[in-house]
Amino acid sequence: QQPVQSPQAVILREGEDAVINCSSSKALYSVHWYRQKHGEAPVFLMILLKGGEQKGHEKISASFNEKKQQSSLYLTASQLSYSGTYFCGTEDSGGGADGLTFGKGTHLIIQP
Amino acid sequence: GAGVSQSPRYKVAKRGQDVALRCDPISGHVSLFWYQQALGQGPEFLTYFQNEAQLDKSGLPSDRFFAERPEGSVSTLKIQRTQQEDSAVYLCASSWESYNEQFFGPGTRLTVL
Repeated sequence: QQPVQSPQAVILREGEDAVINCSSSKALYSVHWYRQKHGEAPVFLMILLKGGEQKGHEKISASFNEKKQQSSLYLTASQLSYSGTYFCGTEDSGGGADGLTFGKGTHLIIQP
Repeated sequence: GAGVSQSPRYKVAKRGQDVALRCDPISGHVSLFWYQQALGQGPEFLTYFQNEAQLDKSGLPSDRFFAERPEGSVSTLKIQRTQQEDSAVYLCASSWESYNEQFFGPGTRLTVL
């Protein structure tokens, strides 16, 4: 089942902060965060694994609440380059090999 | 290679034609994924390979879709008898292993007329 992202869209001024949320109804093994600019490939930002391991870019932070199956991406002191659509992708804990299930995305616009 | 590459970048097909989309993953990456992305939507999983083995093809929308990775490196997604609803961007991603970060290629934008 597709994870639910919120908000659907957000407009910020440069330097402001934002939080993007991702919620699943399934038990998750991992949550992946990507940013996609129009016409380009999704770019990896962060992976959060069950058990607390995280890997990602230094300037990006995120959290993963395993009990609630929720993850949040924190964008602080936003820059113009942060504009794009943010997707969370989830892998459930059912085992086996499968790809990510992505949310519908959160559109982020940073204004100067 | 430096990144995942896909070809062609753009493909226009007449309804009923067959198409083949190619993906060159990052060298050494064991896992390879295909996704379909409709306009304004997130990528949707199609199929997954670990080396040459296709371990999951549950996302393929119909038996017109077929993927292969015969030598565990380059992969091809083939769509037979294309339909208008097949129009989308087809993304390929690779990773060292499943459950690792996936690196996406630029995609192939398929338009079926």
